[in-house]
Amino acid sequence: AQTVTQSQPEMSVQEAETVTLSCTYDTSESDYYLFWYKQPPSRQMILVIRQEAYKQQNATENRFSVNFQKAAKSFSLKISDSQLGDAAMYFCAYRSGRGAQKLVFGQGTRLTINP
Amino acid sequence: DVKVTQSSRYLVKRTGEKVFLECVQDMDHENMFWYRQDPGLGLRLIYFSYDVKMKEKGDIPEGYSVSREKKERFSLILESASTNQTSMYLCASSFRAGTYSPLHFGNGTRLTVT
Repeated sequence: AQTVTQSQPEMSVQEAETVTLSCTYDTSESDYYLFWYKQPPSRQMILVIRQEAYKQQNATENRFSVNFQKAAKSFSLKISDSQLGDAAMYFCAYRSGRGAQKLVFGQGTRLTINP
Repeated sequence: DVKVTQSSRYLVKRTGEKVFLECVQDMDHENMFWYRQDPGLGLRLIYFSYDVKMKEKGDIPEGYSVSREKKERFSLILESASTNQTSMYLCASSFRAGTYSPLHFGNGTRLTVT
């Protein structure tokens, strides 16, 4: 079974600075997808960014980018120019490329932005 | 915009009660999911459904059942609520077809069992 591990329960960063959230996963599959979701205090889970395993290029969405290291099974999220609205729980998630479309989530990282 | 609506934001029930958590989506999604969210454990899959009347167990199905009589509605049932089922419950939905379909989540139901 696939597992996802987020080893940082909490992180904090100064506003306007850069922060990196870590995620590692374990799988024997070669075809899969990886995601970062954000959950603000409103509880609404929001998709931040996704990465297809077959793509070598790291995904980028505005201030959010990933460092996808397939051999190391690592998928970190970098947030540049941190803003107060970035404060949230961040979850890393894995989805197999075949069969069930369910997501396997990590434990989450609570990100605090200091003004 | 896709809307996934969970019927209750907060719910308080007594031990032994039968509890229904309702979820409705308005985008004709085939897939629907129930997750449980606990601090330090992230989200864990309880049950999911690929179509009407179809259901599959997730990672932690014990103590729960589900019902999907209509495509838009997916109900999570706690047959006899226990205090260890106090948690946040999140419903999600997605299209089945295609290589990628994002999950759309509801706002969650925080259930307290006393």
